[in-house]
Amino acid sequence: AQTVTQSQPEMSVQEAETVTLSCTYDTSENNYYLFWYKQPPSRQMILVIRQEAYKQQNATENRFSVNFQKAAKSFSLKISDSQLGDTAMYFCAFRRPNDDKIIFGKGTRLHILP
Amino acid sequence: GAVVSQHPSRVICKSGTSVKIECRSLDFQATTMFWYRQFPKKSLMLMATSNEGSKATYEQGVEKDKFLINHASLTLSTLTVTSAHPEDSSFYICSARPGQGGTEAFFGQGTRLTVV
Repeated sequence: AQTVTQSQPEMSVQEAETVTLSCTYDTSENNYYLFWYKQPPSRQMILVIRQEAYKQQNATENRFSVNFQKAAKSFSLKISDSQLGDTAMYFCAFRRPNDDKIIFGKGTRLHILP
Repeated sequence: GAVVSQHPSRVICKSGTSVKIECRSLDFQATTMFWYRQFPKKSLMLMATSNEGSKATYEQGVEKDKFLINHASLTLSTLTVTSAHPEDSSFYICSARPGQGGTEAFFGQGTRLTVV
């Protein structure tokens, strides 16, 4: 069975700093999708970034980028120039290509301090 | 991106009554929708997979008679919490993924249920 592990329950950084959120996963699949979702205080789940396992290039979306290490089964999220609006719960997630189920990690609560 | 609308956003009901939560895909058809439950400061726990035109698939430990799911059309799934009790108070979230080829799921705004 697939599992997703986020080892950092909570983190705090100063505004404008760079922060990295860790995520590891376990699967025997060769192809799959990985996601980072953000859940701000409004509780609305928002997709931050996604990575397809067959792509070696790390995904990037503006200030958000990932470090995807397939062999190590690691998928960390880097937020550059952090902003107050980045304060949220961040969930790492996994999905197999032919399966609609998304497996979520336990989340990392990120506080951006002014 | 695609839009999933969930209604109501908040509901308070008396213990013993039933409450229905709707999940609609506004600009795409979804043969499959998902219902999650989220406890405070916790992750999303998948409750069930809602399948259009057929019975829902429930995760282990989820009472199907307590949480009734109906997916009568390609754009609407409903979750009914029957005979609600205070321990059913929680945040419920639905999600859906557009047809074949779409990689990401879209989430509703969530429903905060309080049973008093």
